[in-house]
Amino acid sequence: QVQLVESGGDLVKPGGSLRLSCAGSGFTFSDYYMTWIRQVPGEGLEWVSYISSNGNTIDYSDSVKGRFTISRDNTKNSLYLQMNTLRAEDTAVYYCARDPPPPGGFGKSGVFDIWGHGTLVTVST
Amino acid sequence: IQMTQSPSSLSASVGDRVTITCRASQSINISLNWYQQKPGKAPRLLIFAASSLQSDVPSSFSGSGSGTHFTLTITSLQPGDFATYYCQQSYSAPWTFGHGTKVEIK
Repeated sequence: QVQLVESGGDLVKPGGSLRLSCAGSGFTFSDYYMTWIRQVPGEGLEWVSYISSNGNTIDYSDSVKGRFTISRDNTKNSLYLQMNTLRAEDTAVYYCARDPPPPGGFGKSGVFDIWGHGTLVTVST
Repeated sequence: IQMTQSPSSLSASVGDRVTITCRASQSINISLNWYQQKPGKAPRLLIFAASSLQSDVPSSFSGSGSGTHFTLTITSLQPGDFATYYCQQSYSAPWTFGHGTKVEIK
């Protein structure tokens, strides 16, 4: 079945680094834009970053720009998020999500139709 | 684009009709999506493009609206519908979500 599975969440000290991974299965991973979304426990959802199907188009939220790097390896059906200079406010559950093309179109739609189960990142001393 | 949901929470009984409102800070045409999230789980897409029902979502869910004002309606609340609901605009990046509406059992 169509599935996304995140891994890599951990407890890290402020200023530290972490790399999250997301493995896709059950669909042609290389056909889709992919996105990272995070959620502080008990709070709302915040879009973090997206990457195009071929990796050539990338965007970030202002809150992570310059500190986080999104990438993908279509040969491994995998999405990554390299997080550097981590802050306490980066503590959250991080979800990867699939962003299908608009009906009859190409590229991204900004609609997230498949989500992983999430991985918890805690930034604390 | 700021997304404002109301109410932030509501209490309802099984069988009730429930309506949740979402307003955008500027016109987003029909680029509005709704998600359901249960505790400890990932969000689930319910409705995209304001009124299109995602596959496998019960027809008791419906969405309407355009421009800046949108609604999610559950016509007959079922036990599995008690959850938090989020709206999200897909008109322009950065994609933004409402703060959520928690639907609780009365």
